[in-house]
Amino acid sequence: DAGVIQSPRHEVTEMGQEVTLRCKPISGHNSLFWYRQTMMRGLELLIYFNNNVPIDDSGMPEDRFSAKMPNASFSTLKIQPSEPRDSAVYFCASSPDSTEAFFGQGTRLTVV
Amino acid sequence: KQEVTQIPAALSVPEGENLVLNCSFTDSAIYNLQWFRQDPGKGLTSLLLIQSSQREQTSGRLNASLDKSSGRSTLYIAASQPGDSATYLCAGMNNNAGNMLTFGGGTRLMVKP
Repeated sequence: DAGVIQSPRHEVTEMGQEVTLRCKPISGHNSLFWYRQTMMRGLELLIYFNNNVPIDDSGMPEDRFSAKMPNASFSTLKIQPSEPRDSAVYFCASSPDSTEAFFGQGTRLTVV
Repeated sequence: KQEVTQIPAALSVPEGENLVLNCSFTDSAIYNLQWFRQDPGKGLTSLLLIQSSQREQTSGRLNASLDKSSGRSTLYIAASQPGDSATYLCAGMNNNAGNMLTFGGGTRLMVKP
């Protein structure tokens, strides 16, 4: 298996623009997580899906953030409108039956 | 709410030393404890997973233990090498919190040749 695949790897955008991050989990994994990593706050859980259903989105910072999982093999995290303080590395992770989690390589987002 | 703390935040050792990284958590209802490695600018690589019924796991020169009663986990690295230099993160999963992983702040390890 190719592991968790995230795209794009790097994204630079202007403040106010819409940003969409994509994730393909490992086939057969039924849990999917979106995390954000910054120097100041470390790794923060944004949202967690189980069997394509959002279970906990309490970590989503604002209404500007939204996440979807239309099927078991694809998820998106959207920021609209983006702000400079959203600059971070965004990770997607998946796990089978909420056991061992496997992470993607991340998307480094820079909002200027 | 689960809180995970890692001490020390940074560690520098000469090559060949055996070392211990510490992880503590506040909620003993932890289900799984997972250790990760992160190289600069890279994603997280899973090193060891200790499931609820287990007390330790070993992989090569790495050994991780879990003591739920004291709220602690340790990662032991034997005969450290420069290639072990990275940030090591522990994360706890609580089944009373939607099976979410809560991360510690990490220990940044440098092994000097």
